[in-house]
Amino acid sequence: SQTIHQWPATLVQPVGSPLSLECTVEGTSNPNLYWYRQAAGRGLQLLFYSVGIGQISSEVPQNLSASRPQDRQFILSSKKLLLSDSGFYLCAWSRGQVGAPQHFGDGTRLSIL
Amino acid sequence: GIQVEQSPPDLILQEGANSTLRCNFSDSVNNLQWFHQNPWGQLINLFYIPSGTKQNGRLSATTVATERYSLLYISSSQTTDSGVYFCAVEPTGTASKLTFGTGTRLQVTL
Repeated sequence: SQTIHQWPATLVQPVGSPLSLECTVEGTSNPNLYWYRQAAGRGLQLLFYSVGIGQISSEVPQNLSASRPQDRQFILSSKKLLLSDSGFYLCAWSRGQVGAPQHFGDGTRLSIL
Repeated sequence: GIQVEQSPPDLILQEGANSTLRCNFSDSVNNLQWFHQNPWGQLINLFYIPSGTKQNGRLSATTVATERYSLLYISSSQTTDSGVYFCAVEPTGTASKLTFGTGTRLQVTL
């Protein structure tokens, strides 16, 4: 069966520091991968998605970037965090088919001080 | 872009009560999923239901794609049902990108 791992679970970072969040998927190959952010008390917003190694699409302009160095690895990064980057970040995967369901990791709660 | 509206925004139930949550969407979709976000933030897949009716224990869901809505039924609610319920849709032609509704916050009391 397929599993998705996301770490760390929680992170507290100072403003201006760099960020690296990692997500890996097991049990499938060539998945679509996604990064979402959830601000407190709100719904999820898609930040990035990837249909293959090195292929990244950004959905909203922001202070973050994503990379996919391996087939089942998706990384969310920032060079300098802003206060507004605080939130709950979730990684998800789906099979590369139109209409395929998405499956989510447990999320990373990021607080910027 | 597609609009996804969920109602009610908040719901308080006594344990044992039944409820219906609604999701309206403004355009045709390839995929519709219902999720439960528990108090720890985990998003649990409840249903993958682009059309038709499915049941899983005390939960069931119906999507009428032609009329652009979906319903989630919770019967005999329990305190563990508390949390936020999200509907998410993949609009036709958007290549596997989900748009989430704003959610229904459910609190089940004893």
